[in-house]
Amino acid sequence: GESVGLHLPTLSVQEGDNSIINCAYSNSASDYFIWYKQESGKGPQFIIDIRSNMDKRQGQRVTVLLNKTVKHLSLQIAATQPGDSAVYFCAENRAVWDDKIIFGKGTRLHILP
Amino acid sequence: DSGVTQTPKHLITATGQRVTLRCSPRSGDLSVYWYQQSLDQGLQFLIQYYNGEERAKGNILERFSAQQFPDLHSELNLSSLELGDSALYFCASSVEVDSDTQYFGPGTRLTVL
Repeated sequence: GESVGLHLPTLSVQEGDNSIINCAYSNSASDYFIWYKQESGKGPQFIIDIRSNMDKRQGQRVTVLLNKTVKHLSLQIAATQPGDSAVYFCAENRAVWDDKIIFGKGTRLHILP
Repeated sequence: DSGVTQTPKHLITATGQRVTLRCSPRSGDLSVYWYQQSLDQGLQFLIQYYNGEERAKGNILERFSAQQFPDLHSELNLSSLELGDSALYFCASSVEVDSDTQYFGPGTRLTVL
């Protein structure tokens, strides 16, 4: 089975609130993690990434947190907007010599008006 | 728009048939990846090519094959199709063999009847 998984398959958030999407991974040797957003009918779109030598990285309205101790990754979206509605995938690169990316199952983010 | 193009957008065929999916990477990208996305399996990595050579293999069936041509476009060939092969097939590209950020195309939706 997948070693990269998501705790919640669906997350409903009020518009304007912050969203937190969680992800667990099992391979402590993974050194690179990515969050992708997939809107209906489209391919996955890169949002933000983080390397294992960091524990936090910020982008525009998004922050990724990495806790290597418990092998946990999270994506925080500030001031969630209707356009944030999508499925969010976390993904990991398990080995420096292999750029195969393993995707988790995905979490659907639903924005409430 | 990621810059990755895929054709056709939709494909409907019958069991036992063979189809070819085409992908053109972003200008300058040397690596091409193929993924299968189905409802029950999520995004599954199939195969990667770098500058014409096979680089990594994932959960690709023996009935499936791929190649990357000198102009860097790639084709995924699916033969002896089964109902279970119905899925979205995504192509992604990246600049180098060890580039972690992959840019996804819009996908080809394959329906096997």
